[in-house]
Order: sequence, then structure tokens, then C-alpha cells
Amino acid sequence: ELKVEQNPLFLSMQEGKNYTIYCNYSTTSDRLYWYRQDPGKSLESLFVLLSNGAVKQEGRLMASLDTKARLSTLHITAAVHDLSATYFCAVDEGSNYKLTFGKGTLLTVNP
Amino acid sequence: NAGVTQTPKFRVLKTGQSMTLLCAQDMNHEYMYWYRQDPGMGLRLIHYSVGEGTTAKGEVPDGYNVSRLKKQNFLLGLESAAPSQTSVYFCASSEDRPTYEQYFGPGTRLTVT
Repeated sequence: ELKVEQNPLFLSMQEGKNYTIYCNYSTTSDRLYWYRQDPGKSLESLFVLLSNGAVKQEGRLMASLDTKARLSTLHITAAVHDLSATYFCAVDEGSNYKLTFGKGTLLTVNP
Repeated sequence: NAGVTQTPKFRVLKTGQSMTLLCAQDMNHEYMYWYRQDPGMGLRLIHYSVGEGTTAKGEVPDGYNVSRLKKQNFLLGLESAAPSQTSVYFCASSEDRPTYEQYFGPGTRLTVT
């Protein structure tokens, strides 16, 4: 059974600071996804990582995938308040493209 | 394109009542999924479908049934609602190669009293 662990689960940071969210998973997979969810809203796709060493960047967010370590990171650079949200990683189980989600990281960026 | 739509957006049921949640997608995706989201639990897969006329169980299927009679629609049924089924339900559909990225609907907030 695939397990996906995110840490930290809660992150409070100041504007302008950098931080990293970690996503570890338990079995081999080459596909990992990051989603953002604002309170009361649906999930919005941020990044799709499809191979070992994949790195994607969008604005102040950068995601990477190390399939050998079974680890993905979501790095936040110079945080701003608009980044406050819950961030989920999800790993493809390898059959029928089902995803297993982490519990999410609630990010709060304070002025 | 509307993407993935869900109806209703909100519903309150009494224990033992039944209801059907409708998911529709206009992206011609083969794969569709139903999830539930509970505080601190992330999203958990209830049922999924790999094409018209097919359904399969996910991680938490008990108490739910699904049907995929048309490619664009995926229905989730609760035959006899229980308070433990109070949750937010999300439908998603998935594109094909190469990304198999899932796109989510706006969600249905269900309360069972």
C-alpha cells in the first residue's frame, strides 16, 4: 500500500522568507503532482513531475522530484501573503492513474 | 469549456435518506474519480472509472455506489446516508498521456444529520 507523508503539516512563515515542504512516499513511482487548495475551494494543479530529476518553477514556487529517494520538495522563495493556502502532494500508484494524497500542508504567510 | 462540474454544491440529508451526486466533464477524459475530503485526512479515493460502463472501488468505497453510463458523467450514490458520510466530495477527471493530470470539480458539501 502506497503511503504519502508530507511535512510539515502546518507552516507559519513571514513574508520574504524561504521554506521547503517535503513529500515522502513509500513505493516506486515516476509521477508526482502538487496541488493548491484555498479555503472552501477546489484543488488547483500546480506542478506535474514525471521523471527523476524533474524540476518545475512557477513564480515563487519550485518543485522537484527524486524518485530514487522517493522524495519531492516544494520550495517557496520570498513568501508573500497570497501564497497562503493548503498544499497537497499526490503520487500516482501506477495502475489506472490513481493518486494517493498526502494530508496537506497548511501554509500561512504573515506580514 | 466548463471543465468538471458537480451538482449539487450543498446538501443536508437526514440519516437513512438517499441521494445522488452528479459529476460531468466536457474534456472527453476516459478516467474519472470520486474523492472525499475530511479535515486532516487529505483526499481519499471512493470509486473510480477507467471508461464508459466501468467502475472500480477505491480506498473507502463502503456505503457508496457509482455508475458511468455515459463517458462524460460519473454518478455517486448514497443509498442510506450516515453521519460518517458528512464530508466534502470532489469529482475529478484525468487526461491521457503523457501527464495523466487530474482536474477537479468545485466540490459538494454534504451534511448528514
